[in-house]
Amino acid sequence: GAVVSQHPSWVICKSGTSVKIECRSLDFQATTMFWYRQFPKQSLMLMATSNEGSKATYEQGVEKDKFLINHASLTLSTLTVTSAHPEDSSFYICSARARGGGRGTDTQYFGPGTRLTVL
Amino acid sequence: SQQGEEDPQALSIQEGENATMNCSYKTSINNLQWYRQNSGRGLVHLILIRSNEREKHSGRLRVTLDTSKKSSSLLITASRAADTASYFCATKNSGNTPLVFGKGTRLSVIA
Repeated sequence: GAVVSQHPSWVICKSGTSVKIECRSLDFQATTMFWYRQFPKQSLMLMATSNEGSKATYEQGVEKDKFLINHASLTLSTLTVTSAHPEDSSFYICSARARGGGRGTDTQYFGPGTRLTVL
Repeated sequence: SQQGEEDPQALSIQEGENATMNCSYKTSINNLQWYRQNSGRGLVHLILIRSNEREKHSGRLRVTLDTSKKSSSLLITASRAADTASYFCATKNSGNTPLVFGKGTRLSVIA
């Protein structure tokens, strides 16, 4: 149980295009989802926190107009990288926290990540 | 923001040896977790230790937590080549805050 999926698993795009990454909680409802970015040989850096039905909260230094986050339902959050550039190439990982109840609210479940390469 | 600092940044050992990785953090925490990540892959949750716990075991893994020193260690005993991966500690300040990851330790286990 507690599976988080991401789609696509990898994407290559041209500079200037927009890319949408989906994050789904498959067997639980996630009131909160987190988006992380990881550059090669580095750690995960939190980009933003999104709560279902409200605007995302972005970490300092993350451009909200460039990284659009939509958390429209309890099982789906999307990250859109707008006007992508080569420096946006990275591994993007989402994480979902379960709604209260049996699964507990402490645990974050991670998706498998999406590798974005911008040419 | 990133608050965990792991050391060493890289560790290379022979198969069968023990590997110890350390993590330090800056603020008070609710719990600390360790994750493994194989190159280019997603995270695998290894173990969670709560702030009121001092030691926890899971198979070949042993985690300690010293809240007075704001540090934790992960010990992998009898390492195997398959343990080669990056290991990250991550801290949670309270129930509503996200996990904050340390910089990680790249472990190489040589057969």
